[in-house]
Amino acid sequence: EPEVTQTPSHQVTQMGQEVILRCVPISNHLYFYWYRQILGQKVEFLVSFYNNEISEKSEIFDDQFSVERPDGSNFTLKIRSTKLEDSAMYFCASSENRRYGYTFGSGTRLTVV
Amino acid sequence: QKEVEQNSGPLSVPEGAIASLNCTYSDRGSQSFFWYRQYSGKSPELIMSIYSNGDKEDGRFTAQLNKASQYVSLLIRDSQPSDSATYLCAVTPTQGGSEKLVFGKGTKLTVNP
Repeated sequence: EPEVTQTPSHQVTQMGQEVILRCVPISNHLYFYWYRQILGQKVEFLVSFYNNEISEKSEIFDDQFSVERPDGSNFTLKIRSTKLEDSAMYFCASSENRRYGYTFGSGTRLTVV
Repeated sequence: QKEVEQNSGPLSVPEGAIASLNCTYSDRGSQSFFWYRQYSGKSPELIMSIYSNGDKEDGRFTAQLNKASQYVSLLIRDSQPSDSATYLCAVTPTQGGSEKLVFGKGTKLTVNP
């Protein structure tokens, strides 16, 4: 079963530091996404990415966030200056056809102290 | 703000019973509907998708959609302890070809042996 791979599984960072969360989507998928889930809350959409550009982003995805596909396999989420409220589980997802739902990665738990 | 509402539970059923999970959504034009299963501390896992009114069956799972009532449900037959998880309803909103998923907060299901 193909998987979406995320690294690291857990990252602890100091407030104000930059973090990069990494994802390797399923190889034949074309659509890529980042979601986050604050503990005990809903899964929330951050951004979608297709054809090497952002196709949609939420109000959460402000100037502190950026995404990149630096090569043919990796998809990254950067948070430039982390805040305490950025502490959450971050999920990468990919889809072959966006109508049919996505496959989520196992997540990165980000803890900002 | 487009909303997806679920009864947070917990819903407790005995092993072998039918578990019924419900979801309502506010965006009348929504086209795609998904059920995800999320074990504690893990990522969402797609278990069912449904796009047209009526029932869709896959093994022990049946998804039901009623667009007039803006209601989607998931039935789990012959419930097993391994089905104990939080079940997330997710909907694709209509605006501008959006491909994001809007999630409900989830219903926690416990299947008692």
